[in-house]
Amino acid sequence: DQQVKQNSPSLSVQEGRISILNCDYTNSMFDYFLWYKKYPAEGPTFLISISSIKDKNEDGRFTVFLNKSAKHLSLHIVPSQPGDSAVYFCAATDSNTGNQFYFGTGTSLTVIP
Amino acid sequence: KAGVTQTPRYLIKTRGQQVTLSCSPISGHRSVSWYQQTPGQGLQFLFEYFSETQRNKGNFPGRFSGRQFSNSRSEMNVSTLELGDSALYLCASSPYSSNYGYTFGSGTRLTVV
Repeated sequence: DQQVKQNSPSLSVQEGRISILNCDYTNSMFDYFLWYKKYPAEGPTFLISISSIKDKNEDGRFTVFLNKSAKHLSLHIVPSQPGDSAVYFCAATDSNTGNQFYFGTGTSLTVIP
Repeated sequence: KAGVTQTPRYLIKTRGQQVTLSCSPISGHRSVSWYQQTPGQGLQFLFEYFSETQRNKGNFPGRFSGRQFSNSRSEMNVSTLELGDSALYLCASSPYSSNYGYTFGSGTRLTVV
């Protein structure tokens, strides 16, 4: 039962353009969301987070948008750079009930120079 | 400061054997979580330990177990290995709760033959 879904396994974007990675969730109790980036042979690294009290959080080239009514979040990378090529995971948790994060299956982003 | 250290990095075992993986969290981090990553499944939560106690557990069979020591180091054990246990096992630490995200180790790649 996949509570967090990333329906696009892969995405290719030209350098300098915008990358948009999408994530959907089913559990309405989720109130905290994160994006992680993973390079081959390395563990995931934390990228950006958003709490359900917000609908947008920005950190440099990375912006996460949250649409609670649609149970959807997205990560925007502008401008995309070749070094952004990696697998991106979204994760969600109900911060009131435990310390467990539910992860999506990941989207492999390729930024073409 | 040192990151999350997982040993060994790679492991090959035979079906039916058992295996123990080790994780040293970031100094001062008291919460350690374990995840299994397989292609197409994303990261699946195994369990979380805090102050030597299992605080949360995912939906894995009893062959998967773990423990945490007084210095916060953690081990996970898989008994009676099956081919389907082949995966990347990731350990993540956080100071108290993961509400602000984990720091992951590089993982242990387990191959069961």
